[in-house]
Amino acid sequence: DVKVTQSSRYLVKRTGEKVFLECVQDMDHENMFWYRQDPGLGLRLIYFSYDVKMKEKGDIPEGYSVSREKKERFSLILESASTNQTSMYLCASITGTGAYEQYFGPGTRLTVT
Amino acid sequence: AQSVTQPDIHITVSEGASLELRCNYSYGATPYLFWYVQSPGQGLQLLLKYFSGDTLVQGIKGFEAEFKRSQSSFNLRKPSVHWSDAAEYFCAVGSHSGGGADGLTFGKGTHLIIQP
Repeated sequence: DVKVTQSSRYLVKRTGEKVFLECVQDMDHENMFWYRQDPGLGLRLIYFSYDVKMKEKGDIPEGYSVSREKKERFSLILESASTNQTSMYLCASITGTGAYEQYFGPGTRLTVT
Repeated sequence: AQSVTQPDIHITVSEGASLELRCNYSYGATPYLFWYVQSPGQGLQLLLKYFSGDTLVQGIKGFEAEFKRSQSSFNLRKPSVHWSDAAEYFCAVGSHSGGGADGLTFGKGTHLIIQP
């Protein structure tokens, strides 16, 4: 089974802190994604990566950056956390182009106070 | 740009009754369509997917969905729901041009409540 893990299930940070959310997949997948999930808004794509050191903006990249130094690991970075970034963050991966089916991690619920 | 509409925010169904969750999409070509389920405190699990071919697709846990191009719909159905089906359900569309590598567009979700 594909396994996508996220470093924390719950995280509480203060406004202005730099926050790192980590995601690791164990199936040598090419493409990885970060989504944000909010009640009534569904999932929205923040950033994605199709290769090591490659990244592309999704629909809502403002206030976020990402890092992919190794194929299995994709990090989401909040440079200066704000209260409007309180949300559930979901990581996903797929094998590569044409694969489509995304495998999701369990999510990190981030609260910024 | 593609989009997905799930018209029902909440649906309440009695255990053992049939279920239909609605999904409408907007996409310029034949879409790749998905239904995911999210149980409380869990990540998303794929129920079923449509790429091409037979417009009635079978998924896990007894779910099925029918692609209707004329109505731009991909409704999810189950003949008899179980209490364990209570969850959030998301419909999603993927684009051909990105080959799936540019992410999915999700609907806002339908929260399913099962009455005993």
